[in-house]
Amino acid sequence: DAGVIQSPRHEVTEMGQEVTLRCKPISGHDYLFWYRQTMMRGLELLIYFNNNVPIDDSGMPEDRFSAKMPNASFSTLKIQPSEPRDSAVYFCASSPSDRAYNEQFFGPGTRLTVL
Amino acid sequence: AQSVTQPDIHITVSEGASLELRCNYSYGATPYLFWYVQSPGQGLQLLLKYFSGDTLVQGIKGFEAEFKRSQSSFNLRKPSVHWSDAAEYFCAVVVYGGSQGNLIFGKGTKLSVKP
Repeated sequence: DAGVIQSPRHEVTEMGQEVTLRCKPISGHDYLFWYRQTMMRGLELLIYFNNNVPIDDSGMPEDRFSAKMPNASFSTLKIQPSEPRDSAVYFCASSPSDRAYNEQFFGPGTRLTVL
Repeated sequence: AQSVTQPDIHITVSEGASLELRCNYSYGATPYLFWYVQSPGQGLQLLLKYFSGDTLVQGIKGFEAEFKRSQSSFNLRKPSVHWSDAAEYFCAVVVYGGSQGNLIFGKGTKLSVKP
């Protein structure tokens, strides 16, 4: 299995631009999670999906952030407009539904820099 | 509120020396606890987990952790550190809300290994 795939690995953009991060979970996993990692706040859960449906988006920082999962093999996290404080590493993780307790499999992350 | 505390931000040990990384959690119910490792530029990889039963759990790469309910701790140990163990280590607890638990991560402990 290829594991969780994220693209791009690095993204540099200017303030005000739209940014789209992409994730392909492990095939057969029913749960998908988006995390943000910063030095100040550590690793924070932004949103998670179950069977393509958003379950908890309470971690999404503000309306500039949105996430979608149009099918079981693809999810996007969009920031519009982007701001310098959005600079962070964004991780996607997936988990199989038959695990009673979360073992999450993480992608390599997307390092976002907003200038 | 549920939380995970890793009191050591950065630890340096000599290769071959023993290692203990501390983790304390705050959670009202029986915790489900994890240790993840993040190598530079990589995503998180699960080292080990505790759900129930034997309080000493074995993980990959020669790591073990001991759950101590009385101390609300789940410290990670390794008897002899290798240079390849240099990475950042995250302790996490599952917090249940609804049908799926969410991982709450500590801020991490960065491990450096001296030759």
